[in-house]
Amino acid sequence: KAGVTQTPRYLIKTRGQQVTLSCSPISGHRSVSWYQQTPGQGLQFLFEYFSETQRNKGNFPGRFSGRQFSNSRSEMNVSTLELGDSALYLCASSLIVGLGSSTEAFFGQGTRLTVV
Amino acid sequence: AQKVTQAQTEISVVEKEDVTLDCVYETRDTTYYLFWYKQPPSGELVFLIRRNSFDEQNEISGRYSWNFQKSTSSFNFTITASQVVDSAVYFCALRYNTGNQFYFGTGTSLTVIP
Repeated sequence: KAGVTQTPRYLIKTRGQQVTLSCSPISGHRSVSWYQQTPGQGLQFLFEYFSETQRNKGNFPGRFSGRQFSNSRSEMNVSTLELGDSALYLCASSLIVGLGSSTEAFFGQGTRLTVV
Repeated sequence: AQKVTQAQTEISVVEKEDVTLDCVYETRDTTYYLFWYKQPPSGELVFLIRRNSFDEQNEISGRYSWNFQKSTSSFNFTITASQVVDSAVYFCALRYNTGNQFYFGTGTSLTVIP
């Protein structure tokens, strides 16, 4: 069974540009969540999508947005990039069970974004 | 407020030694889940264990064991007879019953020296 796939693995962008990252969850998983990992702030929750709807959002500025498609694939977009957006962006997929609860999250290898 | 605290930033042990990674969490909810993840240099977070708040049984899986104590809000992780392949960053995390938002600790970097 294929794991969570994130593309691209590495990106270098210039300040002010925008970027789109992609995440393909495990087949059958409809919940996709995104995390930003930096040395200073650690792992921080960005947002979660379930059945094409944003279910939860972390404390990030509006420059960070996302969406989910009908096949559960998700994209996140960062506009007007800043140097501080340099980070490892991780995507996680989960199976939703019961009354909205979910199983453990399975993570992709991440996209390493460098803003210069 | 920090929900998950991993006080140990870095630990080094010699191969075959036992090592315990500490995790203390904070929540007012009665229903929640606790997790441990391992992050090797490749970057992905590898799931190790999930416990729900109503199950305080300790668990052993091979060389790994977990001690969950609600009275002290701790969920510690022990690796017995450590191996070089255990070298990684280990994260403890808390998640509530609904939604899929994880609150991660700051991680403990474990180095096992051959």
